[in-house]
Amino acid sequence: KAGVTQTPRYLIKTRGQQVTLSCSPISGHRSVSWYQQTPGQGLQFLFEYFSETQRNKGNFPGRFSGRQFSNSRSEMNVSTLELGDSALYLCASSNRDSSPPFFGPGTRLTVL
Amino acid sequence: AQSVAQPEDQVNVAEGNPLTVKCTYSVSGNPYLFWYVQYPNRGLQFLLKYITGDNLVKGSYGFEAEFNKSQTSFHLKKPSALVSDSALYFCAVVNNAGNMLTFGGGTRLMVKP
Repeated sequence: KAGVTQTPRYLIKTRGQQVTLSCSPISGHRSVSWYQQTPGQGLQFLFEYFSETQRNKGNFPGRFSGRQFSNSRSEMNVSTLELGDSALYLCASSNRDSSPPFFGPGTRLTVL
Repeated sequence: AQSVAQPEDQVNVAEGNPLTVKCTYSVSGNPYLFWYVQYPNRGLQFLLKYITGDNLVKGSYGFEAEFNKSQTSFHLKKPSALVSDSALYFCAVVNNAGNMLTFGGGTRLMVKP
C-alpha cells in the first residue's frame, strides 16, 4: 500500500498570502489529522476529519481551516499568513480510533 | 486535558549499550500510547503502541516500551543501540475519543560509535 502523500513538499509564501496544502491518506483510511511542527512549540494538533466531518479541533486561530472530500483526501488552508506560520505541516491517516496514525513526509512552509 | 512529558531533551549513548528514552503522561480514562521516530527532513515513523494487555510492548527495529500505570510512564528501550538509531523520538497519547494525538516535546537520541 502506498503511504500518506502530501503536496507540495516545500512552499514559500509572503506575509498576507494564503496557502492550501493537500494530503492523500492511505487507501481505506477514513480519518485524517493535521499537525504543525515548529522548533519552539513542537508538534501541535490542528484538526481531525472523519468521513468529511471535522471531529476534533486544536487551539489554532480561525485562519487555519480544513476539509475532507468523499475520497478521504484532505486539504488545509491558512489565510493571511504570518511569519509564525512557518512550520512543517504533517498529515496523518488512520483506519480506526486507537490505531496508530501514519504520517506523511510533511509540507515545509516558509513565510517571508 | 491530556499531556505528555519527555524530561530529557537529549540522550547520549554509546553504540552497543542499552538505551532508555523517558516518557510520562497524564490522561483521563484509558491511555493509548505511542512512540514515533523522526529522521531529518522526514515525517514521523511509527515504532510501537500500547493499547491494553502486556505492559512490555515490542515494536519495530528492536525497540520496546514498558507501560507502568502507577507511575504513568511509558519509557522506550532498546537493549543494544545502533548509530543509525540517532534521531528525534516522540511519545504521544490519545484518549478514547478519536485520533487526536498529544505529543511530548521530543528527545534527541545521539548514539556514538
